[in-house]
Amino acid sequence: GAGVSQSPSNKVTEKGKDVELRCDPISGHTALYWYRQSLGQGLEFLIYFQGNSAPDKSGLPSDRFSAERTGGSVSTLTIQRTQQEDSAVYLCASTSGTSTYNEQFFGPGTRLTVL
Amino acid sequence: RKEVEQDPGPFNVPEGATVAFNCTYSNSASQSFFWYRQDCRKEPKLLMSVYSSGNEDGRFTAQLNRASQYISLLIRDSKLSDSATYLCVEGAGSYQLTFGKGTKLSVIP
Repeated sequence: GAGVSQSPSNKVTEKGKDVELRCDPISGHTALYWYRQSLGQGLEFLIYFQGNSAPDKSGLPSDRFSAERTGGSVSTLTIQRTQQEDSAVYLCASTSGTSTYNEQFFGPGTRLTVL
Repeated sequence: RKEVEQDPGPFNVPEGATVAFNCTYSNSASQSFFWYRQDCRKEPKLLMSVYSSGNEDGRFTAQLNRASQYISLLIRDSKLSDSATYLCVEGAGSYQLTFGKGTKLSVIP
């Protein structure tokens, strides 16, 4: 079956512009995660959705970052007034359950470059 | 602060060699542990879960030592296709995973 998909695969933007990243999780997966991976760094947790609600937004680095999920499926991560330090690969993952015992399936990521 | 520490490597080993990675975690309450594999410029994929009793999957063996709070991964008879970055992961709480920065392995002919 189809895996997690993300779009765009690459995004180059100018400092100060807004960007929107999209994630389509595996059908039926209720939990969705956004992570950020900077060059040479580990995965940094950003936000977690259970259904349409986001019980944990603690990883969002600033108020320029926001995310939503509609219909318990597609999620968008929006970065306003992008800065150069926002350059990274943004990864989305989904899982069928609500516990950490469930495997997280990752999308291919969106590589964001802020000039 | 929750942390998972790994030796970044790189580990450069010849084909057929046995190689072992360790990682340490800081949260004694963590309940689940995993090794994920990440190929260059690709997304992470689950390699194996780590159970308290230790577990084996073909050439891969994972061990958990709760007393010392470390996890290990042993790869026997290394293949060129094993070249990747291996991420140590702990799960504490109900939903959040903490990823290490990864250990890079290069298997050379």
